[in-house]
Amino acid sequence: GAVVSQHPSRVICKSGTSVKIECRSLDFQATTMFWYRQFPKQSLMLMATSNEGSKATYEQGVEKDKFLINHASLTLSTLTVTSAHPEDSSFYICSASPGGRFSNQPQHFGDGTRLSIL
Amino acid sequence: SQKIEQNSEALNIQEGKTATLTCNYTNYSPAYLQWYRQDPGRGPVFLLLIRENEKEKRKERLKVTFDTTLKQSLFHITASQPADSATYLCALETGANNLFFGTGTRLTVIP
Repeated sequence: GAVVSQHPSRVICKSGTSVKIECRSLDFQATTMFWYRQFPKQSLMLMATSNEGSKATYEQGVEKDKFLINHASLTLSTLTVTSAHPEDSSFYICSASPGGRFSNQPQHFGDGTRLSIL
Repeated sequence: SQKIEQNSEALNIQEGKTATLTCNYTNYSPAYLQWYRQDPGRGPVFLLLIRENEKEKRKERLKVTFDTTLKQSLFHITASQPADSATYLCALETGANNLFFGTGTRLTVIP
């Protein structure tokens, strides 16, 4: 149980394109989902917390107009990288916890999306 | 500044030996500490969680210790196997499920 699915797994596109990444909790409801970014040989960095039915909470230094997050249902959050540029190339990973934000339960991660901007 | 450091970027050990990975942190007061395994091109997979009032946690061949005085966690894999080769990440949770990750240690178990 507690499966998180992320799609697509890989995207290659031209500079200036907007890219949408989907994160779904397949067998549980997630009022909160998390979006991370990981550069090669670096740690996962939390970008934002996605809250169902309300605005996302962004970490310091993450542009909310650049990385649009929508959490329209209890099983789906989307991250849209708008007008992507080569420096946005990275590994984007989402996660969710079945118990909700304050349950202190482990998070379950998607398999990530490798974004390459040419 | 806040830091989470894992002792080495890479660790090579012989099959059958015990692998010990270290996670040190500064300027955090974690309620929980978690260890994850990450394979190349995949998302992290949860392994163990230890609470601030727990000294040690075990799961099969895995053992985690947590010393809040030293601000350190040790992660042990006993009787290591080549299939244990992966990157291991420690993560601190200060509350509200926000996780802060270390840079990871890439473990290679040599047959």
